[in-house]
Amino acid sequence: NAGVTQTPKFQVLKTGQSMTLQCAQDMNHEYMSWYRQDPGMGLRLIHYSVGAGITDQGEVPNGYNVSRSTTEDFPLRLLSAAPSQTSVYFCASSPQRWASREQYFGPGTRLTVT
Amino acid sequence: AQSVTQPDIHITVSEGASLELRCNYSYGATPYLFWYVQSPGQGLQLLLKYFSGDTLVQGIKGFEAEFKRSQSSFNLRKPSVHWSDAAEYFCAVGAPDDYKLSFGAGTTVTVRA
Repeated sequence: NAGVTQTPKFQVLKTGQSMTLQCAQDMNHEYMSWYRQDPGMGLRLIHYSVGAGITDQGEVPNGYNVSRSTTEDFPLRLLSAAPSQTSVYFCASSPQRWASREQYFGPGTRLTVT
Repeated sequence: AQSVTQPDIHITVSEGASLELRCNYSYGATPYLFWYVQSPGQGLQLLLKYFSGDTLVQGIKGFEAEFKRSQSSFNLRKPSVHWSDAAEYFCAVGAPDDYKLSFGAGTTVTVRA
């Protein structure tokens, strides 16, 4: 299994540009989520999904869109990039089993908005 | 809603010395608790988790953590630190009926020779 994969690894955008961060998992996990990591703030939840066709907002959703058309994929779209969105983005997935809640993380995408 | 506080931003420890990282959580009932480690430039890896039962949990890489309900704490410990333990450590809390996790701000561990 590849686990959770994210592309690209690095990205530089200009203010106002849009782009999609890709996330895929091959573990048949129901739950997927996107976090952003900023120095001194830990990880903050952007959006999450509990299954195909179901998404919801997390703590910091403004400026981001998501969709979940398949169990495997959970792309994150930046609609109009702003310097405040410079961050490291992590995708995570979790199996829908009562006894298990740990999240498996991808390697991250480092985004710089100039 | 749940929340996590990691009081120590940065800890420096000598190789071979013991390590303890503090984590305090806020949640009304018994939470799900996790410790993750992030090496430079890497994603997060689960060290250990607590759901219920024995309050002392063992994890990977020789780490353990103790859940203390009376103190709302879930501190991480390692008896003897190796240079490869230099990383950032995150405590996280979740509710049993929810998948969302709340993370602390993290503690950076530096290991000196």
